[in-house]
Amino acid sequence: ELKVEQNPLFLSMQEGKNYTIYCNYSTTSDRLYWYRQDPGKSLESLFVLLSNGAVKQEGRLMASLDTKARLSTLHITAAVHDLSATYFCAVEETSGSRLTFGEGTQLTVNP
Amino acid sequence: DAGITQSPRHKVTETGTPVTLRCHQTENHRYMYWYRQDPGHGLRLIHYSYGVKDTDKGEVSDGYSVSRSKTEDFLLTLESATSSQTSVYFCAISAGTTYEQYFGPGTRLTVT
Repeated sequence: ELKVEQNPLFLSMQEGKNYTIYCNYSTTSDRLYWYRQDPGKSLESLFVLLSNGAVKQEGRLMASLDTKARLSTLHITAAVHDLSATYFCAVEETSGSRLTFGEGTQLTVNP
Repeated sequence: DAGITQSPRHKVTETGTPVTLRCHQTENHRYMYWYRQDPGHGLRLIHYSYGVKDTDKGEVSDGYSVSRSKTEDFLLTLESATSSQTSVYFCAISAGTTYEQYFGPGTRLTVT
């Protein structure tokens, strides 16, 4: 059974600082997805990582995937308040068609 | 906007009553999913569909059934609602080329 663990689960940081969210998973997979959820809203796709070594960047967020270590990171550079949200990673099962989600990291960026 | 709607958006019902939630897509995607979201659990897969009349169970399927008689509609039914099924329910779709999923707006269900 695929297990996906995110840490930290709660992250409070100051504007302008850098930080990394980690996503570990338990079985082999080459595909991983990051989503963002604002309070009371739906999930929005951020990044699609489809192979070992994949790196994607959008604004102050950068995601990477190391399939050998079964680890993905979401790096936040010079955080701003607008990044406050809950971030989920989701791993594609080897059989395809299904994703297993992590518990989510609730990020709060303080002025 | 991935062309996904969910209805109703909010519902309050009593324990023991049947409830059906509807997910509708306009994109003609093959895969459709139902999740529930609860504090401390992230998103958990209830059921999914990989085509008309083709469905399979997810991680938390007990107490739920689904039907897909048309490509565009995926129905989730709680045969006899319980308080433990109070949750926010999300529908999602994917094309199946990658399994990147696009989510509907969600349905907040309260079972009293």
